[in-house]
Amino acid sequence: GEEVAQTPKHLVRGEGQKAKLYCAPIKGHSYVFWYQQVLKNEFKFLISFQNENVFDETGMPKERFSAKCLPNSPCSLEIQATKLEDSAVYFCASSQSATGGTGELFFGEGSRLTVL
Amino acid sequence: TQLLEQSPQFLSIQEGENLTVYCNSSSVFSSLQWYRQEPGEGPVLLVTVVTGGEVKKLKRLTFQFGDARKDSSLHITAAQPGDTGLYLCAGRAGRRALTFGSGTRLQVQP
Repeated sequence: GEEVAQTPKHLVRGEGQKAKLYCAPIKGHSYVFWYQQVLKNEFKFLISFQNENVFDETGMPKERFSAKCLPNSPCSLEIQATKLEDSAVYFCASSQSATGGTGELFFGEGSRLTVL
Repeated sequence: TQLLEQSPQFLSIQEGENLTVYCNSSSVFSSLQWYRQEPGEGPVLLVTVVTGGEVKKLKRLTFQFGDARKDSSLHITAAQPGDTGLYLCAGRAGRRALTFGSGTRLQVQP
């Protein structure tokens, strides 16, 4: 598609429950990025993919967070056993290039996760 | 960890005023981008600066990349209510993912 599509827009989970978010990148974009926005300002990088391969996972909390980008499927970000501090808006972005060219990231509208 | 500090964090001004937002780091970046985010949406790219000392203009917005490629500024002339939003600088270094600044929330009152 022409836009990055994220679902769901809103997700509410009780502490300890699982949360799974989905992202369909712009068609033709090889790179997908996940960012976590807390307190309405700070953007924290989580993980990036080049097609279905992990490109950079330096920001990913290893214990409860996992992500996948499988062929012919939306990318996903899963949080096992959610904690209160996981409450945030999770943004997915796609790009034609990871580091070269203009390197513009095209963002989706985000998925707001609320952990109660 | 590469940190990008933005100042001010919040800015509320009247329509027609000028303002400058700063983005500072101790790290060198190969390029720096500015994004604007409106409520309920993802950030949208405004500009990319690559060369130290580079100045780019986008209508009433002027962007500058520091000579040492560690800092940048965004100047808005005659701000309008439509400029309201969260302004984010973001730096790129090597193969690392884009590092976002701490953000500046701008409110322009009519």
